[in-house]
Amino acid sequence: GAVVSQHPSWVICKSGTSVKIECRSLDFQATTMFWYRQFPKQSLMLMATSNEGSKATYEQGVEKDKFLINHASLTLSTLTVTSAHPEDSSFYICSANREGRDNEQYFGPGTRLTVT
Amino acid sequence: GDSVTQMEGPVTLSEEAFLTINCTYTATGYPSLFWYVQYPGEGLQLLLKATKADDKGSNKGFEATYRKETTSFHLEKGSVQVSDSAVYFCALSEAGTALIFGKGTTLSVSS
Repeated sequence: GAVVSQHPSWVICKSGTSVKIECRSLDFQATTMFWYRQFPKQSLMLMATSNEGSKATYEQGVEKDKFLINHASLTLSTLTVTSAHPEDSSFYICSANREGRDNEQYFGPGTRLTVT
Repeated sequence: GDSVTQMEGPVTLSEEAFLTINCTYTATGYPSLFWYVQYPGEGLQLLLKATKADDKGSNKGFEATYRKETTSFHLEKGSVQVSDSAVYFCALSEAGTALIFGKGTTLSVSS
């Protein structure tokens, strides 16, 4: 089956620093990947749609300069949280759309970010 | 815009009880419908899906039928186990777009 990995699985950083989260589709190519954010005991909220070779599309209310997304290849998208603050602490989850399969999205295991 | 509404939790059941988690949706097109499960501290796992009206998705004893006339996709299981305790998310997606999730329903099963 299709596998999506995320790295790191958890990270603790200090306020003001930047953190990069990687999302990889291990056995398929993904032109489109999605980044979600999940607060404790809440649902997933779409942050942005990442398209290989082009700029990401951000949802309303998501700061594009704070959450930098790069989709440099068909198997890798990265989310960089810049100048992190405690309110950025959350569970970040990516998903990848499998080429040739309508609505076949595969989720990564998530990255728990804690900003101190 | 498209949206998903699912029943509020938590749902607390005894082992071997019947489970129903209601999910209704609004969509402008013809979405695919999904149920995802999230175990504590883990990411989302696809439980089942249906891509068109009257399709029934099933997996691990769970079932859901895509009802276009009632815009519903209720999740059912005839006999729950303690290991089914998790958060369940109903979701929809128009072709190739991001998933839109319901708020999630926490299921707690006791022995």
